[in-house]
Amino acid sequence: DAMVIQNPRYQVTQFGKPVTLSCSQTLNHNVMYWYQQKSSQAPKLLFHYYDKDFNNEADTPDNFQSRRPNTSFCFLDIRSPGLGDAAMYLCATSRRRTATTQETQYFGPGTRLLVL
Amino acid sequence: RKEVEQDPGPFNVPEGATVAFNCTYSNSASQSFFWYRQDCRKEPKLLMSVYSSGNEDGRFTAQLNRASQYISLLIRDSKLSDSATYLCAVTRNKLIFGAGTRLAVHP
Repeated sequence: DAMVIQNPRYQVTQFGKPVTLSCSQTLNHNVMYWYQQKSSQAPKLLFHYYDKDFNNEADTPDNFQSRRPNTSFCFLDIRSPGLGDAAMYLCATSRRRTATTQETQYFGPGTRLLVL
Repeated sequence: RKEVEQDPGPFNVPEGATVAFNCTYSNSASQSFFWYRQDCRKEPKLLMSVYSSGNEDGRFTAQLNRASQYISLLIRDSKLSDSATYLCAVTRNKLIFGAGTRLAVHP
């Protein structure tokens, strides 16, 4: 059974048209992450939620926002997608006992975003 | 300079071969180390954690050298199904990935 679910698997949007990607989890993990991965590149962390606390990476553009309405769901909003935002967006979850420890991350299947 | 570096490959090897990948990391404060496998257009999946004492899981052996700041993955008796991209990752308050090494195993 899927533990980290991402919808949709493929998303096509127009340049500048807001888009929302969703992630849900059945693991009851307290941490949820969003990564961006471009072709032949490393997954790059955009931000994460530790419980309700939002943690933005310093180099994540303002164009990217996130919401976590409850433990199970997390959304990635791209306010004005540019051609350079075309990528695979990966959601991951983990159980973290403190603010600094790291536990195994479980990834969803990703959403591939195409910007026209 | 990237914090985690890998040879992108591809490594083209015949079935049954032994292949080794290395990965270097630049921050000595890195705490934990992992190898992930990523198939084309799929998500990364944890292959194994890496410990200083070395660890083995079937045909896969991982090693960490803190003094030289590199981790390695050895795959013995390669199978066609091992063809994938292998990402190394380190943690330092967050998980930092390398760009991966592509392995192609041919008959």
